[in-house]
Amino acid sequence: QVQLVQSGAEVKTAGASLRVSCKASGYTFIGYYIHWVRQAPGQGLEWMGWINPKNGATNHAQNFQGRVTMTRDTSINTAYMELNRLRSDDTAVYYCARTRVLPAAVDYWGQGTLVTVSS
Amino acid sequence: DIQMTQSPSTLSASVGDRVTITCRASQSIGSWLAWYQQKPGKAPKLLIYEASSLETGVPSRFSGSGSGTEFTLTISSLQPDDFATYYCQHFNTFSITFGQGTRLEIK
Repeated sequence: QVQLVQSGAEVKTAGASLRVSCKASGYTFIGYYIHWVRQAPGQGLEWMGWINPKNGATNHAQNFQGRVTMTRDTSINTAYMELNRLRSDDTAVYYCARTRVLPAAVDYWGQGTLVTVSS
Repeated sequence: DIQMTQSPSTLSASVGDRVTITCRASQSIGSWLAWYQQKPGKAPKLLIYEASSLETGVPSRFSGSGSGTEFTLTISSLQPDDFATYYCQHFNTFSITFGQGTRLEIK
């Protein structure tokens, strides 16, 4: 069965960097995009960007330009999201999620990674 | 950028009620719209894709309609498990945009 398993919760200090991993199983990793979506406490869903594991191409939301990097390692079917210069308002649950080649809806989600940024 | 606006933000209803949630796009998006259900502490779950297609395994009391700029999610007869937050989502070739969410609560 399809699974996206994310790395564990993190506590960071403002100004630090964050790296979350997302290990895929149960499907052909390079056949689907991996997206990153975050959700601040009590708030809605915010799309951050995607990576195409087949060729490494990425696209990021304007809000995160210059601060986010998305990479993948096809040898271990894992995608990574790195967010730099963390601020307190980056405190959120970060999800990875899968789509077919866009345009397509997200059909599977990771379990989420809680990131707490303290000042 | 395309903006997605859901209404209402909160909806109070009873078991057995028929409820409708609306999602409006700031410009025409064809049928590139999905609906998700999210429960506290859980990842969202896909209900409807391409505006009106029911995801496998989702109960038939859920339905979606619309195209262009106005879309609706209808639950024909609310069940206790349906009280949750619902999000619409536009997807295109480059990006994804979520609505702000509608919280469905028990009256």
